[in-house]
Amino acid sequence: DAGVIQSPRHEVTEMGQEVTLRCKPISGHDYLFWYRQTMMRGLELLIYFNNNVPIDDSGMPEDRFSAKMPNASFSTLKIQPSEPRDSAVYFCASSATSAGPQHFGDGTRLSIL
Amino acid sequence: DQQVKQNSPSLSVQEGRISILNCDYTNSMFDYFLWYKKYPAEGPTFLISISSIKDKNEDGRFTVFLNKSAKHLSLHIVPSQPGDSAVYFCAAINFGNEKLTFGTGTRLTIIP
Repeated sequence: DAGVIQSPRHEVTEMGQEVTLRCKPISGHDYLFWYRQTMMRGLELLIYFNNNVPIDDSGMPEDRFSAKMPNASFSTLKIQPSEPRDSAVYFCASSATSAGPQHFGDGTRLSIL
Repeated sequence: DQQVKQNSPSLSVQEGRISILNCDYTNSMFDYFLWYKKYPAEGPTFLISISSIKDKNEDGRFTVFLNKSAKHLSLHIVPSQPGDSAVYFCAAINFGNEKLTFGTGTRLTIIP
């Protein structure tokens, strides 16, 4: 069984550039979550979707961040324009139910220079 | 406002001994608690969970204990093995808002 697939695994870009992170959830999972992990704040939930609809985006740090889920098998997290403080590991996770265990991808390590 | 706290950033245990990882929480509305394990350069992997109506759940070498009055849970690993060396995250969820809240993690090192 394929797990949650994230791409790219690593991204290095210059400040001001647009960054797009991608996620393919596990087939049949109705919930998709985007997290950010930093040393200072640990794992933070940014946004989550249920059946492709954004339910709670209160964790999105600011308007430079946006997320979409155009269909059940694909989601993107976009940062435009990117800033050095956005450097972190970004994880995507999916689950079959809201309380069910979330299955995580291996993350995208983002470095903004 | 850290609702889920893991006060020990690291723990070292001899192989074969018991590892005990601790987690405290402040929100009495949490319904369900989970432990995740994370290796470097990988995403967290679900390990074991417990409902707030129970006080113990066991799965092989892993046991989670919940003390609701103290708002405390712990993960016991026995016997500890070198492959258990990883970062362990405690997480909690309130079914009403569907969001997992994670602790900051404890790095467990098993010494051969």
